[in-house]
Amino acid sequence: GAVVSQHPSRVICKSGTSVKIECRSLDFQATTMFWYRQFPKQSLMLMATSNEGSKATYEQGVEKDKFLINHASLTLSTLTVTSAHPEDSSFYICSAGGGQGYSTDTQYFGPGTRLTVL
Amino acid sequence: KQEVTQIPAALSVPEGENLVLNCSFTDSAIYNLQWFRQDPGKGLTSLLLIQSSQREQTSGRLNASLDKSSGRSTLYIAASQPGDSATYLCAVRDAGNMLTFGGGTRLMVKP
Repeated sequence: GAVVSQHPSRVICKSGTSVKIECRSLDFQATTMFWYRQFPKQSLMLMATSNEGSKATYEQGVEKDKFLINHASLTLSTLTVTSAHPEDSSFYICSAGGGQGYSTDTQYFGPGTRLTVL
Repeated sequence: KQEVTQIPAALSVPEGENLVLNCSFTDSAIYNLQWFRQDPGKGLTSLLLIQSSQREQTSGRLNASLDKSSGRSTLYIAASQPGDSATYLCAVRDAGNMLTFGGGTRLMVKP
C-alpha cells in the first residue's frame, strides 16, 4: 500500500518550453503533497507544499510563477516548470502525506522525474 | 530553522565491516526522524522511522538510534555488503509533517 507514482520518469526538453510532471497517490487519498528538487550529489530540498483545493505554499527562493503547482484532487498533484532553462535540470521528487487508512506521520515518496533542459 | 547535518559525507569500507552513519539536527522539537536509502538516479526508500518518544528501531542488519535531547541519530549497519552501497539520507519531521533532509552519506562497500 501507500504507493506514489510520478510521470514521466525522465524528460528532455528544449530551453524555453514548459514541462508538466504528475504525482499520483495510487491507493490512498493524500490531502497534502510535497515537491522536492535534488541537484547532483546534493540532498533533497523542499520546493513547495500543496494541499488539495488550495494554493501551494512555496519555500523561500522558489519562484511560484516558474514552478506552477496544481493539486486539483486528493490523488493528483502536478508541477509545471514554465519556460525551462538548463539550470532547471534536476531530479524532481514528490511525496504524499498519508491520508485515511495510512500513517499521517510520514510521507510516501514517488520514484522521481529526471528533467534535462537542453 | 531546522538544520540537519550528516557525517561523514562519503564513506568507503570493505565488505563485512560494521559501520555507523551520523545525523545531527539543531532543533530538538521533532516529531520523528527517518532514514532513507537512495540509489543513483532513483527515488527514496524508507529504511527506518523513529518516533520522538523512541530510542531506537531495528530492521534486519540496520539499527537506528535517536537521542532527541542532544539532537543526534545514528544508523548502524552490521556486516556491510556491496549491495548496501548507496546514499543514506536522514530527515527530521516536525509536527506539521514537514521534512528537513541532511546532505546524505554516500556509502561504498567494496567486495
